[in-house]
Amino acid sequence: DVVLTQSPATLSVTPGERISLSCRASESVDTYLHWYQQKPNESPRLLIKYASQSISGIPSRFSGSGSGTDFTLSINGVELEDLSIYYCQQGYSLPLTFGSGTKLEIK
Amino acid sequence: EVQLVESGGGLVQPGRSLKLSCAASGFTYSNYVMAWVRQAPTKGLEWVASISTGGGNTYYRDSVKGRFTISRDNAKNTLYLQIDSLRSEDTATYYCAKDYGGYSEFDYWGQGVMVTVSS
Repeated sequence: DVVLTQSPATLSVTPGERISLSCRASESVDTYLHWYQQKPNESPRLLIKYASQSISGIPSRFSGSGSGTDFTLSINGVELEDLSIYYCQQGYSLPLTFGSGTKLEIK
Repeated sequence: EVQLVESGGGLVQPGRSLKLSCAASGFTYSNYVMAWVRQAPTKGLEWVASISTGGGNTYYRDSVKGRFTISRDNAKNTLYLQIDSLRSEDTATYYCAKDYGGYSEFDYWGQGVMVTVSS
């Protein structure tokens, strides 16, 4: 199974900051890496697909990069509404797997 | 508007069975792979099972093989998850998810249904 390791586990941020979240795969997943946002008591929401492809309706401050085993989700100018847990997920091979998440909190 | 509405959850004793349903609308249901993803309380997301567009191919995580059965009724636009021999570790919120890329990314999720396994 592909293991996805996300770091950091928790990130304290100040509104307006540019931040980067990391997701590392135990083996290459090409660009079959997707990012989700989960706000408290809500269902996950797809943010970025195939490492860097944007999703309709998602604010442009969210962007993704990477390929192979190293991936990054960036938020250019964090807003209060971005306080959530962010998960990466690989769609390269079954079983589909998720990272353990990065929790974004206000400093 | 895409909608996925799960039902069928509840409190169940260990060893018993439960069947979850997910009613889909707002898209051509029969064209998409569908999946169940679960989340134990305060834990992360865990893929459970996926089913092909026609229902002929099903895939499961190892820990649920032989106990969970995913199925679909394309005439009713409904996805199912039959859960047998429930264990305490199956306690979770179960999400129905639309798989856009085919065993890849989940572009729409239901609101989730809670399954609690306890005596």
